[in-house]
Amino acid sequence: AAGVIQSPRHLIKEKRETATLKCYPIPRHDTVYWYQQGPGQDPQFLISFYEKMQSDKGSIPDRFSAQQFSDYHSELNMSSLELGDSALYFCASSLGTGDGYEQYFGPGTRLTVT
Amino acid sequence: KQEVTQIPAALSVPEGENLVLNCSFTDSAIYNLQWFRQDPGKGLTSLLLIQSSQREQTSGRLNASLDKSSGRSTLYIAASQPGDSATYLCACPSGTGGYNKLIFGAGTRLAVHP
Repeated sequence: AAGVIQSPRHLIKEKRETATLKCYPIPRHDTVYWYQQGPGQDPQFLISFYEKMQSDKGSIPDRFSAQQFSDYHSELNMSSLELGDSALYFCASSLGTGDGYEQYFGPGTRLTVT
Repeated sequence: KQEVTQIPAALSVPEGENLVLNCSFTDSAIYNLQWFRQDPGKGLTSLLLIQSSQREQTSGRLNASLDKSSGRSTLYIAASQPGDSATYLCACPSGTGGYNKLIFGAGTRLAVHP
């Protein structure tokens, strides 16, 4: 079965640089979520999209932005990177009807800011 | 505001033991609850999803129960094996809608030694 795809899997950037993370949800899923997991922490919600419209927003820095495109893939753009942005970034997708809104997670993108 | 707590934070057991991991949540009006497994530095593997109308779900040696009235869920692992060593996270949507962001507990770090 198709899973959530994230790219790249690993990314190394320097401070003040920009990073773009991509997420390809499971086909037919209508909702995409982004989570950030810092070292030794539990995942924290950043932002979500339902049918390409932003549906919820968490503690996402103003330096971060995200969008969902017409083909339902989503991108998380991170600018002016800081050391504290080093984390695992997960994308998840879900389908409401018939699947109980179970969120399926991608393998994550490990971002290291040096 | 939904808060999720897991106890114990860490657990070390000999192989073959039956285990119970606990998860509690403050807002009992949840739509569902998911249990995940996470190996160090890796992604989130969904283990079980329990809908609010269900009492328990089983998958192989894993059994998860849900008691909404008391705000608790337990994950039972039978006949533990060294390969079960990982961090186990529970999560539930932040509100009554299943499409809401997931709120995670801090996890239980399990070590099963031969």
